[in-house]
Amino acid sequence: AQSVTQLDSQVPVFEEAPVELRCNYSSSVSVYLFWYVQYPNQGLQLLLKYLSGSTLVKGINGFEAEFNKSQTSFHLRKPSVHISDTAEYFCAVSESGGSYIPTFGRGTSLIVHP
Amino acid sequence: DAGVIQSPRHEVTEMGQEVTLRCKPISGHNSLFWYRQTMMRGLELLIYFNNNVPIDDSGMPEDRFSAKMPNASFSTLKIQPSEPRDSAVYFCASSTDRGSYNEQFFGPGTRLTVL
Repeated sequence: AQSVTQLDSQVPVFEEAPVELRCNYSSSVSVYLFWYVQYPNQGLQLLLKYLSGSTLVKGINGFEAEFNKSQTSFHLRKPSVHISDTAEYFCAVSESGGSYIPTFGRGTSLIVHP
Repeated sequence: DAGVIQSPRHEVTEMGQEVTLRCKPISGHNSLFWYRQTMMRGLELLIYFNNNVPIDDSGMPEDRFSAKMPNASFSTLKIQPSEPRDSAVYFCASSTDRGSYNEQFFGPGTRLTVL
């Protein structure tokens, strides 16, 4: 069965600074990887996903993530954050050919300070 | 499309009362998921339906919880009797039945407070 570890529960950063949110996964088969964002008092929405092909995936709001198979990682990055990026970010993994149920990480709270 | 619709958005009830949460998935989606989110446990999958049939309910905490999907456009999650530890945000999500690579579309959630 797959598992996901988000190493940081909280990441504070100043506005316009770069940020990286870390995600590592464990699986014995090929995987699909997702990043979701949850703004306050809202449901989760998809930021980006990796299915196959290029390991660098670009998503909405200027975010991107890189799939690294050897390190089993899928870290999320943004070169310059805005106050509006303050939210909870969830990494998720599902196994190719498996069930439709992804496994979500515990989430990382990104706090952008002015 | 209006997205996944959940009602009510907020529910405050007293311990021992029955609580029913409702969800309308996106039209054309035939997979539906109920999640619970708390500070302590994060996001937990409670139950998953495919084509209105419960496929995996291993996440349902105990017999006080039950879920139904009588048709493709409606699902309920019932807690009877409710307890203070059930206080959480409950999310419904739906997706298309085309494999594990499809994203889930989440509703806005129902914030449940059991006093």
